[in-house]
Amino acid sequence: NAGVTQTPKFQVLKTGQSMTLQCAQDMNHEYMSWYRQDPGMGLRLIHYSVGAGITDQGEVPNGYNVSRSTTEDFPLRLLSAAPSQTSVYFCASRPPSGTTGELFFGEGSRLTVL
Amino acid sequence: GNSVTQMEGPVTLSEEAFLTINCTYTATGYPSLFWYVQYPGEGLQLLLKATKADDKGSNKGFEATYRKETTSFHLEKGSVQVSDSAVYFCALGPGGYQKVTFGTGTKLQVIP
Repeated sequence: NAGVTQTPKFQVLKTGQSMTLQCAQDMNHEYMSWYRQDPGMGLRLIHYSVGAGITDQGEVPNGYNVSRSTTEDFPLRLLSAAPSQTSVYFCASRPPSGTTGELFFGEGSRLTVL
Repeated sequence: GNSVTQMEGPVTLSEEAFLTINCTYTATGYPSLFWYVQYPGEGLQLLLKATKADDKGSNKGFEATYRKETTSFHLEKGSVQVSDSAVYFCALGPGGYQKVTFGTGTKLQVIP
C-alpha cells in the first residue's frame, strides 16, 4: 500500500519562481491537507479539502493555492515563492468523518527559497 | 480556540532510562488526543491515541492516559532505546473534518 506520496522530496527555488508540490493518496480518503513544519512552531495547517471540488483555508494560507479535482490528488501551488516559504511541507489525509481523526502523512517535501 | 502545549526539548536520555514528555491541552468539547512520532527524514506517523477521558493509549512500549481533570496526555516509556530517538508531537482532534491541532514537538535523543 503506497499510502500518501509526495513529490518532489527536495526543491530549491529562487524568489519569485512558481512551483507545485504534488500529493497523492490511494486510500480513498475524503479529507486531505497540507501542513508546513518550521523549527519551534510545530505543524501549521495551510489548506485542506473535505472532498473533490471542495477546499478551504487553514492557519497560514497566504502565498499558496490548492485545488482538488480528484479524490486522490491534492497539489499545493506556490505562485511567487518567497524566502519565508522555506520550510518542510507535509501532505496528510484522513478517513471520513465519524472516525477518530488519525492523519496519515507523506514523507515530506523540503523547499528552500533563495 | 484549541491549543496544545508540550515540553520543550531537546530531551537527552541514556538507554534504558524512563521517559516522560508532558502535554497539556485546551479544547472545547471532548477531543481525541494523539501522539505522533517523526523519525529523522520521515513524515509523522501515529504512535498512539485516546478518544475519551481515562482511556489509555499504548504502542511499542509507550503509554499515555487521557486526563480530563488535568487536561493532560503525558507520554511515558519505562525503558527507552536508541531507536526511540525522534521528534514526538502531541495533538488533539475534535474529530470529523475539524482541524487537528499540533504541539511544537519534543526532540528525544537516546544515547547508548
